[in-house]
Amino acid sequence: EIVLTQSPDTLSLSPGEGATLSCRANQRLSNNYLAWYQQIPGQAPRLLIYGASSRTTDIPDRFSGSGSGTDFTLTISRLEPEDFAVYYCQQYESSSRLTFGGGTKVEIK
Amino acid sequence: QVQLVQSGTEVKKPGASVKVSCKASGYTFSSYGISWVRQAPGQGFEWIGWISALNTNTNYPQKLQGRVTMSTDTSTNTAYLELRNLRSDDTAVYYCARDEVLLGIYFDYWGQGTLITVSS
Repeated sequence: EIVLTQSPDTLSLSPGEGATLSCRANQRLSNNYLAWYQQIPGQAPRLLIYGASSRTTDIPDRFSGSGSGTDFTLTISRLEPEDFAVYYCQQYESSSRLTFGGGTKVEIK
Repeated sequence: QVQLVQSGTEVKKPGASVKVSCKASGYTFSSYGISWVRQAPGQGFEWIGWISALNTNTNYPQKLQGRVTMSTDTSTNTAYLELRNLRSDDTAVYYCARDEVLLGIYFDYWGQGTLITVSS
């Protein structure tokens, strides 16, 4: 099973600041099959990024994904009030066993 | 627009079964798959399986094989999740999510979630 470890658990930031979220896999994702989701409490998740760096439709360009192999990053360039949420990474390199990271909470400082 | 609308909250006793529905609209149902994902209270996500709405192929994680069945009804554009022999650690919000038609990958639209509580 591919295990994804996200860090930090919590980021305390102010609106306008940038955020850098990390997702590390215990096995190499040779195809960089990694997605990122945003979940606002009480809501269903929203897909932000797939293929490590491709933004989905309607996602603002302040969100960007990068990385390859075992280390991946979600960057939010300037936090807007609606960006304070929990973010999860998910791998689909192993389609028989899709797995998620434990999440990073981005909270208002 | 793409929508996935799930059935309502369920409360079940240990050992019982539950069946959750997920009605799709706004896209060609048989051109995609449906994955089911659950989230225990205060926890992260666990993928619990995928079904193709084209050919009804399924893929379940080994942990749940024997207790889970996914199905689709293309006449009503509805996917179903059945979970049997419920245990307290099955308590979670269950989400359906649109996925690829040939295998599970990532999820671009999600249902609103169905809370299933298992308690004696």
